[in-house]
Amino acid sequence: AQTVTQSQPEMSVQEAETVTLSCTYDTSESDYYLFWYKQPPSRQMILVIRQEAYKQQNATENRFSVNFQKAAKSFSLKISDSQLGDAAMYFCAYRPSTYYNQGGKLIFGQGTELSVKP
Amino acid sequence: DTAVSQTPKYLVTQMGNDKSIKCEQNLGHDTMYWYKQDSKKFLKIMFSYNNKELIINETVPNRFSPKSPDKAHLNLHINSLELGDSAVYFCASSQIGGGGQGRDTQYFGPGTRLTVL
Repeated sequence: AQTVTQSQPEMSVQEAETVTLSCTYDTSESDYYLFWYKQPPSRQMILVIRQEAYKQQNATENRFSVNFQKAAKSFSLKISDSQLGDAAMYFCAYRPSTYYNQGGKLIFGQGTELSVKP
Repeated sequence: DTAVSQTPKYLVTQMGNDKSIKCEQNLGHDTMYWYKQDSKKFLKIMFSYNNKELIINETVPNRFSPKSPDKAHLNLHINSLELGDSAVYFCASSQIGGGGQGRDTQYFGPGTRLTVL
């Protein structure tokens, strides 16, 4: 069974600095999707970034970028120029590509609570 | 325009009661999901529906019964509520079939916080 591990329960960053959140996963599949979601205190789940496993290029979305290491099964999120509004719980998620066997479900990590200091 | 909406946002009820949570998406997606987030914020899939057909039932007690009247709606009915059912329940949707960028990305509703007393 696939698993996702976020080994940092809490992280802290100074405003305007850069922080990296770690995520590792375990799978025997070669094709899949990876996501980072943000959950602020409002509890809304907000998509931050997505990565298709067959793409070697790392995804970027403005101040957010990933370091996708397929062989190492690692998918870290880098937040540059951190802002107070980035404070939230961040979840790493894995989606198997075999839709009809696994129904497209997301498998989540435990989450990393990010605080941003002014 | 709200993409994925859920009602109610908060639900407080007594043990043993039956309650429903409604979900609607206006994204034209073909697949909808229910996730449960427990008190430690861990998120886990409960159900997945594609074009009104149940695809996943992730070992959820049969007191939980999802119903999809059409592609845009997925409701969750819970019978005989127990203390352990207290959690935040999220509905999500995605487009599985067809091509296009952003396919397979799941968009979440605002969540329903269920408290069982």
